[in-house]
Amino acid sequence: AQTVTQSQPEMSVQEAETVTLSCTYDTSESDYYLFWYKQPPSRQMILVIRQEAYKQQNATENRFSVNFQKAAKSFSLKISDSQLGDAAMYFCAYRRGPNFGNEKLTFGTGTRLTIIP
Amino acid sequence: EAQVTQNPRYLITVTGKKLTVTCSQNMNHEYMSWYRQDPGLGLRQIYYSMNVEVTDKGDVPEGYKVSRKEKRNFPLILESPSPNQTSLYFCASSLLAGAPEFFGPGTRLTVL
Repeated sequence: AQTVTQSQPEMSVQEAETVTLSCTYDTSESDYYLFWYKQPPSRQMILVIRQEAYKQQNATENRFSVNFQKAAKSFSLKISDSQLGDAAMYFCAYRRGPNFGNEKLTFGTGTRLTIIP
Repeated sequence: EAQVTQNPRYLITVTGKKLTVTCSQNMNHEYMSWYRQDPGLGLRQIYYSMNVEVTDKGDVPEGYKVSRKEKRNFPLILESPSPNQTSLYFCASSLLAGAPEFFGPGTRLTVL
């Protein structure tokens, strides 16, 4: 079974600084997808970024980028120029490839990010 | 606007009183699922559906039922709710093959 581990329950960063959230996962599959979701106080789950395992290039979305290390099974999220609106719980998630039936998301336990003004 | 809707958003009920949480998506997605979120546990999948009339258990299906009679709707049914089902519930939908899941706004359920 796949597992996703987020070892930092809480992180904080000064506004305008850069922060990196860690995520590791365990799988025996070669075809899969990785995601970071953001959950602000509104509780809405918002997709931040997506990475396909077969792509070596790290995904980027504006101030958000990932460091995907497939051999190490590591998928960290870097937030540059942190803003107050980035304060939220961040979840790392794994999704199986299309040939394995249930394509459920397996989530980590989350990292709560606080932005210090 | 592309979205997943859930109703109700908040519900307080008593043990044993049957309830249904509705979920609807307007994106023509094949895949739909229900998750529950509990502190320190992240989100865990309850049930999923690959298409109309195709449903199966996720990781924590005990005490829940679902149906998928139409592509857009995927209701979650608690036949006899118990206090350990107090949680935050999310419905989600997506295309298959690695597409991201889009989540509804969540339903906060309290069972007394």
